[in-house]
Amino acid sequence: EPEVTQTPSHQVTQMGQEVILRCVPISNHLYFYWYRQILGQKVEFLVSFYNNEISEKSEIFDDQFSVERPDGSNFTLKIRSTKLEDSAMYFCASSAPRGPPGDTQYFGPGTRLTVL
Amino acid sequence: AQSVAQPEDQVNVAEGNPLTVKCTYSVSGNPYLFWYVQYPNRGLQFLLKYITGDNLVKGSYGFEAEFNKSQTSFHLKKPSALVSDSALYFCAVAGQNFVFGPGTRLSVLP
Repeated sequence: EPEVTQTPSHQVTQMGQEVILRCVPISNHLYFYWYRQILGQKVEFLVSFYNNEISEKSEIFDDQFSVERPDGSNFTLKIRSTKLEDSAMYFCASSAPRGPPGDTQYFGPGTRLTVL
Repeated sequence: AQSVAQPEDQVNVAEGNPLTVKCTYSVSGNPYLFWYVQYPNRGLQFLLKYITGDNLVKGSYGFEAEFNKSQTSFHLKKPSALVSDSALYFCAVAGQNFVFGPGTRLSVLP
């Protein structure tokens, strides 16, 4: 069964450094998402991406964040200058061609980001 | 604005007993409702969803959920709990993106 994959599984970085989190969505999916979860708490929406542009973003997704689909298979989340409060589990998700609402989003296993 | 509430942080149930994890929602328009489960150090796994049709939705691992429009609820149920069902359960409402509830930790005791 196809699945969403994410790398790395754990990223440790110093405050102020740039990090790039990588995701490979399910191959025929066209809608991509990033969510974050702090310490096993609520899962929060960051951004959605369709047709090579951001379709929606939350207030969490400020100028420090960016997303890109560089090569038709990967979907990346970049944090330019990490802060301590960026420490969280980051989940990538993708959904099928029909798009929202109502389509099931399939989640990757997550990348745990630790900012020191 | 869409929102989801899960009124119980923790639910404890004995193995073999029925379980219910509660969810209420607030949306404008038709609700698209989902349940996901998260095991320790894992991602979110899809259990089931309600889009339209029958109010009782059946999903993975023997779980089902009942959509109740008048009570704006979408409670997750299972007739007989297993120890392996112990996990964190999230209810979500879908629009352009998902809005998740705060999660309910289910502990099934042997």
